[in-house]
Amino acid sequence: GQQLNQSPQSMFIQEGEDVSMNCTSSSIFNTWLWYKQDPGEGPVLLIALYKAGELTSNGRLTAQFGITRKDSFLNISASIPSDVGIYFCAGDSNYQLIWGAGTKLIIKP
Amino acid sequence: DGGITQSPKYLFRKEGQNVTLSCEQNLNHDAMYWYRQDPGQGLRLIYYSQIVNDFQKGDIAEGYSVSREKKESFPLTVTSAQKNPTAFYLCASSPRGGAEAFFGQGTRLTVV
Repeated sequence: GQQLNQSPQSMFIQEGEDVSMNCTSSSIFNTWLWYKQDPGEGPVLLIALYKAGELTSNGRLTAQFGITRKDSFLNISASIPSDVGIYFCAGDSNYQLIWGAGTKLIIKP
Repeated sequence: DGGITQSPKYLFRKEGQNVTLSCEQNLNHDAMYWYRQDPGQGLRLIYYSQIVNDFQKGDIAEGYSVSREKKESFPLTVTSAQKNPTAFYLCASSPRGGAEAFFGQGTRLTVV
């Protein structure tokens, strides 16, 4: 079946650092979505991408839809402690969403 | 306020008992989904419904059942046939299948 390969699996960062994560697929998706999940909560939609090559920002977050529609990246600038959590990418396929395995963001003490 | 509500937040059941998890949305969304999440893992699709009175199995439907009698409601029953039911269950809805999904707060089910 279709899969989204999300990397890295986890990241240890210092507060104030920039963060980058990405998702790739062998299949084309019409929509790419980025979510964040805090512990014990449901995922929250951060950014939705609809067009190949589209670059969209939401505060310190920036995401881009790859030109081939097979990949996307998410950047977080100047990370802060509340950025800790799990970030998921998702793509639409046949009226359902295909999910990446998540990138866990951990702030170094 | 519009949103998607799961209840209860925590649920404990004895092994061998069926249990039903509630999911209600007032967003007027056509599509609804149930996911299972195990510790440190991603989301796995149990069932989804694109319209009232219709639903399809996801990747891990065995041991689960659903109904979609009303647009707003998509309850999930975890049956005694589910071999390892302890998990975090997430319900989501979207305007249509494959569109942006909005999640409830989840139900953590523990079977003892």
